[in-house]
Amino acid sequence: DVKVTQSSRYLVKRTGEKVFLECVQDMDHENMFWYRQDPGLGLRLIYFSYDVKMKEKGDIPEGYSVSREKKERFSLILESASTNQTSMYLCASSTGGPSTDTQYFGPGTRLTVL
Amino acid sequence: RKEVEQDPGPFNVPEGATVAFNCTYSNSASQSFFWYRQDCRKEPKLLMSVYSSGNEDGRFTAQLNRASQYISLLIRDSKLSDSATYLCVVNFIGRDDKIIFGKGTRLHILP
Repeated sequence: DVKVTQSSRYLVKRTGEKVFLECVQDMDHENMFWYRQDPGLGLRLIYFSYDVKMKEKGDIPEGYSVSREKKERFSLILESASTNQTSMYLCASSTGGPSTDTQYFGPGTRLTVL
Repeated sequence: RKEVEQDPGPFNVPEGATVAFNCTYSNSASQSFFWYRQDCRKEPKLLMSVYSSGNEDGRFTAQLNRASQYISLLIRDSKLSDSATYLCVVNFIGRDDKIIFGKGTRLHILP
């Protein structure tokens, strides 16, 4: 079974803090994604990566950056957290073409920024 | 027109009934289609892919209508455990590959 893990299930940070969200997958997938999910807005793509050291902006990259130094790990960074970044963050991975294959999601990190 | 649209629901359906919901998409170049299921406070998980000829998996049937640009999900003999949010996913393959998730349809199965 594909397993995607995220470093924390719940996280509380203060405005202005730097926040790291880590995601690890164990199936040697080429593609990894970061989404945020908010009530009424659904899943929105922040960044994705289709190879080590490669990254592409999604629909809402502002205020975020990412890092993919190893194939199995994709990190989401909030350089200076703000209250409007309070959300559920979901990481996913897939193989094959970035938009053609099943995505496997991690359990999510619920981030609250005070 | 939004790229992928779903009725948010909730659909409140008695146990044992049949329920169906649709998802419309705007880009006729869309190539592949999926239904995901998301339980409360859990991550989305693939329920089934949607093939051009339609496909069935137990009580679940998915269909694609390219002419009218929608996909559908039919659940027969609904169970309490079917209560969840169902997300439609559409993949566009072209100059810029794109994956679009619908906002989901909430389904409540009533005992």
